[in-house]
Amino acid sequence: KAGVTQTPRYLIKTRGQQVTLSCSPISGHRSVSWYQQTPGQGLQFLFEYFSETQRNKGNFPGRFSGRQFSNSRSEMNVSTLELGDSALYLCASSRDRSTDEQYFGPGTRLTVT
Amino acid sequence: SQQGEEDPQALSIQEGENATMNCSYKTSINNLQWYRQNSGRGLVHLILIRSNEREKHSGRLRVTLDTSKKSSSLLITASRAADTASYFCAPWNRDDKIIFGKGTRLHILP
Repeated sequence: KAGVTQTPRYLIKTRGQQVTLSCSPISGHRSVSWYQQTPGQGLQFLFEYFSETQRNKGNFPGRFSGRQFSNSRSEMNVSTLELGDSALYLCASSRDRSTDEQYFGPGTRLTVT
Repeated sequence: SQQGEEDPQALSIQEGENATMNCSYKTSINNLQWYRQNSGRGLVHLILIRSNEREKHSGRLRVTLDTSKKSSSLLITASRAADTASYFCAPWNRDDKIIFGKGTRLHILP
């Protein structure tokens, strides 16, 4: 079956702008998690959505938000972009996070100039 | 929150040798998973070991879990150039959010 897809794959934005990233999970998976990966901070958990509800949230400012739709597709939004938001954003899907393995998408490489 | 901490941070070995990476965590878990990430790409799930299991194999991979020591190890036998990647462990607990560690950077030398 098809894997996790993320769009766009690469994105360049200007400081102060906002951005929306999209993630389509594997069919049948209801949990979608988002991660930010930077060379300095490593892989950091942003949030997790399960059946359209945010189930868990990491330690990121309110500029980072997300949502999940009834078909389990998820979006994350970053408003008022800062240079430090430049990172690889990964999403992962699973049937139920606590018991099943997560399947990661290829990521969206965001560069803020 | 539950964080996996991998050790060593970096490892270089000759092709054909075995590579061993370790992971430690702090609280009780439901399962522990290992992932691989090739440079700048998404993570690939390697293996899941449940809290009531002690050892698991998948091809050239062998994972052990010692819940009394809160530690796990990943052994890659007969390493190949394609094994060059970063490896992350992810200890899972139903009520915790997961924080990945910095990973172990494995470099296979020709």
